[in-house]
Amino acid sequence: RKEVEQDPGPFNVPEGATVAFNCTYSNSASQSFFWYRQDCRKEPKLLMSVYSSGNEDGRFTAQLNRASQYISLLIRDSKLSDSATYLCVVNFNGGSQGNLIFGKGTKLSVKP
Amino acid sequence: EPEVTQTPSHQVTQMGQEVILRCVPISNHLYFYWYRQILGQKVEFLVSFYNNEISEKSEIFDDQFSVERPDGSNFTLKIRSTKLEDSAMYFCASSEFDSPGTAYEQYFGPGTRLTVT
Repeated sequence: RKEVEQDPGPFNVPEGATVAFNCTYSNSASQSFFWYRQDCRKEPKLLMSVYSSGNEDGRFTAQLNRASQYISLLIRDSKLSDSATYLCVVNFNGGSQGNLIFGKGTKLSVKP
Repeated sequence: EPEVTQTPSHQVTQMGQEVILRCVPISNHLYFYWYRQILGQKVEFLVSFYNNEISEKSEIFDDQFSVERPDGSNFTLKIRSTKLEDSAMYFCASSEFDSPGTAYEQYFGPGTRLTVT
């Protein structure tokens, strides 16, 4: 069974805080990994792809641990606008144009 | 910035009726997808489409569902006889061709909220 598991939260943090989300996936053959964010009743928006070597985009850092089947997202210097649900997403189809399996998401609320 | 568009934004229909949800994928993209999200639940894959045929479908995508690319720009999802449990947000997504072994980043449209009464 193809599963992606996330802590649902909510994570309530003050502005400027650093917050980390974790995610585990069930299929060791998975090839592609992503973090999306979803605002209430809106579409998932791609935040970043996650590569084996880890990658950073401004305040966001994503890490992949294939041996542990674990993905993380670190957000530094949180802004009010970071409040959203963060979705861990895995493509189990070997990097081809297969379907995405979504986690239920982790809700983040950044307070002033 | 190019984006996926979907119409209508909200569709209300009676049980047993047929609905067609429409999507215009990003113009240079070759892969198209439909997902759905029941309120309060996770996003679920329905179907992927490439080169004018279905590439993959989930167990949700039964005989009541069909997809079509009727022209060079639109991509549609038809539900033949809607049920109450079809009420959900339906998202269209698209991705461009990429070289094997790299990520196929999928971009989502704003969704159509389908309410079946």
